[in-house]
Parts: sequence; structure tokens; C-alpha cells
Amino acid sequence: AQSVTQLDSQVPVFEEAPVELRCNYSSSVSVYLFWYVQYPNQGLQLLLKYLSGSTLVKGINGFEAEFNKSQTSFHLRKPSVHISDTAEYFCAVSEGSSASKIIFGSGTRLSIRP
Amino acid sequence: EAEVAQSPRYKITEKSQAVAFWCDPISGHATLYWYRQILGQGPELLVQFQDESVVDDSQLPKDRFSAERLKGVDSTLKIQPAELGDSAMYLCASSLDAGSYNEQFFGPGTRLTVL
Repeated sequence: AQSVTQLDSQVPVFEEAPVELRCNYSSSVSVYLFWYVQYPNQGLQLLLKYLSGSTLVKGINGFEAEFNKSQTSFHLRKPSVHISDTAEYFCAVSEGSSASKIIFGSGTRLSIRP
Repeated sequence: EAEVAQSPRYKITEKSQAVAFWCDPISGHATLYWYRQILGQGPELLVQFQDESVVDDSQLPKDRFSAERLKGVDSTLKIQPAELGDSAMYLCASSLDAGSYNEQFFGPGTRLTVL
């Protein structure tokens, strides 16, 4: 069965600094990978997803992630963060089949300091 | 822009009472999901509908939870009786069709507090 681990529960960064949120997954088969963002008291919104093809995936709000099969990682990056990026970020994995459900990580709280 | 609607946004109840949550998915979305998100954790799938049929309810505590989507459109999730451990955010999501490659659109959630 697949699982996903988000190594950092909280990441504080200064505004305009770069950020990387780490995500590792485990699965014995090919996977789909996702990053979702959750702003306070709201539902989740899809930032980006990897299904196949290029390992570098670009998403909304200037975020990108790189799929690394050998390291079973899918880290999320942004070169310069803004106060509005303050939120909870969830990495998620699904086995690459139509019947598979999405398994979410425990989340990383990104806090931006002015 | 089409959105997933949920009500109520907040619910406080006492243990052993019954509670119900409502979800209206984006029009035309065949697949509907109910998730539970405990504070400090990621969402966990409770039940997945394809039109009006349940396709996955393996994590739904069936002794106290029930879910229905009678006409394949809106859906209701019920808890009876509520327990202290049920305090969580209950999220509804919908997608055009089944398959995890289809983007799931989430509603704002219902935050349940059981006293």
C-alpha cells in the first residue's frame, strides 16, 4: 500500500526567501503525485500534479515540484515566497490506476515572516 | 466559478446526539467524496460515490456513520450517535469522474465539535 511522509510539520521563512517543502512516498507501483494547499478555514486547492512525462511540474502561484523516482521524493519549491503563501500544504499520492484513492500526508504549515 | 457547497460551516453538538452534513458538488461531477480531517492531519477518505452508488466506504465507521447520494447529485453524511473522537473537519469534494488523475475540487468543509 502506498504512503506519504512530509518531513517537516512547520516551515518558517522570511518573505521573498526561497522555500522547499519535502515529501517522500512509498509505493510498489507507478504513482500519481499531488500537492494541495489549504488556507485557514477553507477546503483544499490543487497546486500541481504529476501523472507522467516531465519530472519537473509547474503549478499555480509560482510553485513547482520535481518527481525523483530513485529517491521516491516529490519536493515542492518556490523561489520567492509572499505573505499570501501562508497556509498548510499537503502532499498526496495515488497508485497509477483509475481505481486508486488519494492518500494525503500530514501536512506542512508554511509561515511567512515579513 | 462553480464551487462545491457545504453546510453547515460549523456544528457544535453533544455526544450521543445525531448530526448531519450536506454537500452540493459542482454541476455535472459524477464522483463525490467525503473526507474527515482531524486537526494536524491530512484528509482521510470516508466514502466515495460514483453517481448514486458507493464505490469505496472501507474507512467509514458504519456502526455510526451513514452517507447517501440518492439522486446522484447532492449528498448527506450522518453521524448517530456522535462521539468525542468525531470532532474534526468534514470535507466534501467532487470530480468529473472517478480516477485519481481527475482533479478533485473541495468545499470549505464543516467543522464539527462534539462536547
